[in-house]
Amino acid sequence: DGGITQSPKYLFRKEGQNVTLSCEQNLNHDAMYWYRQDPGQGLRLIYYSQIVNDFQKGDIAEGYSVSREKKESFPLTVTSAQKNPTAFYLCASSAFGRTDTQYFGPGTRLTVL
Amino acid sequence: AQSVSQHNHHVILSEAASLELGCNYSYGGTVNLFWYVQYPGQHLQLLLKYFSGDPLVKGIKGFEAEFIKSKFSFNLRKPSVQWSDTAEYFCAVMNYGGSQGNLIFGKGTKLSVKP
Repeated sequence: DGGITQSPKYLFRKEGQNVTLSCEQNLNHDAMYWYRQDPGQGLRLIYYSQIVNDFQKGDIAEGYSVSREKKESFPLTVTSAQKNPTAFYLCASSAFGRTDTQYFGPGTRLTVL
Repeated sequence: AQSVSQHNHHVILSEAASLELGCNYSYGGTVNLFWYVQYPGQHLQLLLKYFSGDPLVKGIKGFEAEFIKSKFSFNLRKPSVQWSDTAEYFCAVMNYGGSQGNLIFGKGTKLSVKP
């Protein structure tokens, strides 16, 4: 069954702790993305990667880090430097790079206590 | 900076009513246009997209959208909504300009359909 998986669905962390969100795709897509969704704000791009071992900052990259060691995996770390980390995080992928249609995973809701 | 505006934050309709959700964008160059839908508790799904060709695009579940280049608009329509259309709808624009290939989202419109 092809698709994008994100785990966990819900995540709770204490303030000051780093946390890593998982994103895996078995669609053989080249590009992967991380977005943050806040109520009434739409989706905002955090990071994207068009190819393995390469990634670029999006509009709101401060306080986040990523890696792309494998084509199918694009984990996002929310660091303690992120001032307001509580949000819904969505991972997406596209087949042929940034000008292609993006497909989304189910999301991870992170709550920092 | 490029932006996408969705005119309505929350729309409430009765079943069988017609729907039109507005979307305008600010970028003047070549664009790809998308509507995504997020049903309660589900992930964001592609409803329809426009890349080129016929500006009237048909999507899933009876939805359609019309690209009017002169108005920088890509409004979503459905002639008769159902209770199952209750969801949040996002318009998104992909530009080929400075932030090449970035997908810019509107803030979303929540649609509530009363049975």
